[in-house]
Amino acid sequence: EAQVTQNPRYLITVTGKKLTVTCSQNMNHEYMSWYRQDPGLGLRQIYYSMNVEVTDKGDVPEGYKVSRKEKRNFPLILESPSPNQTSLYFCASSLSRGLSYEQYFGPGTRLTVT
Amino acid sequence: GESVGLHLPTLSVQEGDNSIINCAYSNSASDYFIWYKQESGKGPQFIIDIRSNMDKRQGQRVTVLLNKTVKHLSLQIAATQPGDSAVYFCAETYGQNFVFGPGTRLSVLP
Repeated sequence: EAQVTQNPRYLITVTGKKLTVTCSQNMNHEYMSWYRQDPGLGLRQIYYSMNVEVTDKGDVPEGYKVSRKEKRNFPLILESPSPNQTSLYFCASSLSRGLSYEQYFGPGTRLTVT
Repeated sequence: GESVGLHLPTLSVQEGDNSIINCAYSNSASDYFIWYKQESGKGPQFIIDIRSNMDKRQGQRVTVLLNKTVKHLSLQIAATQPGDSAVYFCAETYGQNFVFGPGTRLSVLP
């Protein structure tokens, strides 16, 4: 089954404790992206990757890091989480731009930073 | 389920009627637009897309209209069904960035 998986689905942590949210897709997609979703603000793009070892900032990259060492995986790293990073996070993937932007989204990760 | 948006504009329609959801986009250089549907507790799901060289595109029960002059996008859903109840987002792309609108909650009344 074609899918995007994220782990964990729910995470409660404390300020300053480094965490990683994993994202994996099994569709051989080149493009992957991370979003956060907050009430009243909709989805905002954090980082995206056009392919292995190619990443770039979205609209709200501060406080986040990503890596793309393998095509299927695109982890989101919070080196020192803060309460304003409490949010619902989505990973998405799609074929490269020349073909389609039909993004497939993961189920979401609810992060709470206290 | 997850709370998608507590203060979203809401559109209520009777089952069987047509729905029209509107979206204003911000960047005149955007060249690709997408509509997504998000049900409670789930990630957004692709509905239909349109490129800037088109002004209309039809799918199964859905039609997207693009008016570049006023930077406006609309999604029309024919014969709205209870399963259409969800939050609908438009997104615009320029470069490799995706920018999403705030969303509209569609509520289908029996």
